[in-house]
Amino acid sequence: AQKITQTQPGMFVQEKEAVTLDCTYDTSDQSYGLFWYKQPSSGEMIFLIYQGSYDEQNATEGRYSLNFQKARKSANLVISASQLGDSAMYFCAMRAGSARQLTFGSGTQLTVLP
Amino acid sequence: GAGVSQSPRYKVAKRGQDVALRCDPISGHVSLFWYQQALGQGPEFLTYFQNEAQLDKSGLPSDRFFAERPEGSVSTLKIQRTQQEDSAVYLCASSPSPPGYLRSGANVLTFGAGSRLTVL
Repeated sequence: AQKITQTQPGMFVQEKEAVTLDCTYDTSDQSYGLFWYKQPSSGEMIFLIYQGSYDEQNATEGRYSLNFQKARKSANLVISASQLGDSAMYFCAMRAGSARQLTFGSGTQLTVLP
Repeated sequence: GAGVSQSPRYKVAKRGQDVALRCDPISGHVSLFWYQQALGQGPEFLTYFQNEAQLDKSGLPSDRFFAERPEGSVSTLKIQRTQQEDSAVYLCASSPSPPGYLRSGANVLTFGAGSRLTVL
């Protein structure tokens, strides 16, 4: 079975500061992929960043980086220089082994303060 | 189209009514998924299509839920005799190729904005 745990229901960050959103995962598969999606109040899930289990380098996409610690089974999202538009729900998700679908965590509501 | 389009965006149904939710994936996308997202929760998998073939329907919560994609493009999720517990946002997502091996890359899903169903 695959499981994603996001322990922070809500987070606040001051504009222009960095913030880390936590994600831990559980799978017995050696091959898996970790995803972060952003869901603003409009409802659409927006893909942010991907990390494969075999990738040696931590993934980065602009202001987003993924702090991948395989031994700890964690895949935390780091957002640098927060902007007001970053306020949204953030979901960590995983696809593992032969599974076709993503398994999502319960999400973290991020609020960026001016 | 440019993105995944879902309709209606909002649907209110009386308990016991049938509803149909439509998904227009990105043109040419092979894979299509339906997810159910309860309030304050992450999306949960319902079913998966590869072209017109429904390869996985293990997430459908009951036999009142039915999905189809007859021509391998537009998909419809139908819920018969709706119940209050069916109230949720139903998300559709598509990707250009089958999920495949993870070593080949992310095969990122593009999601629609969802259809919010409220059953009274």
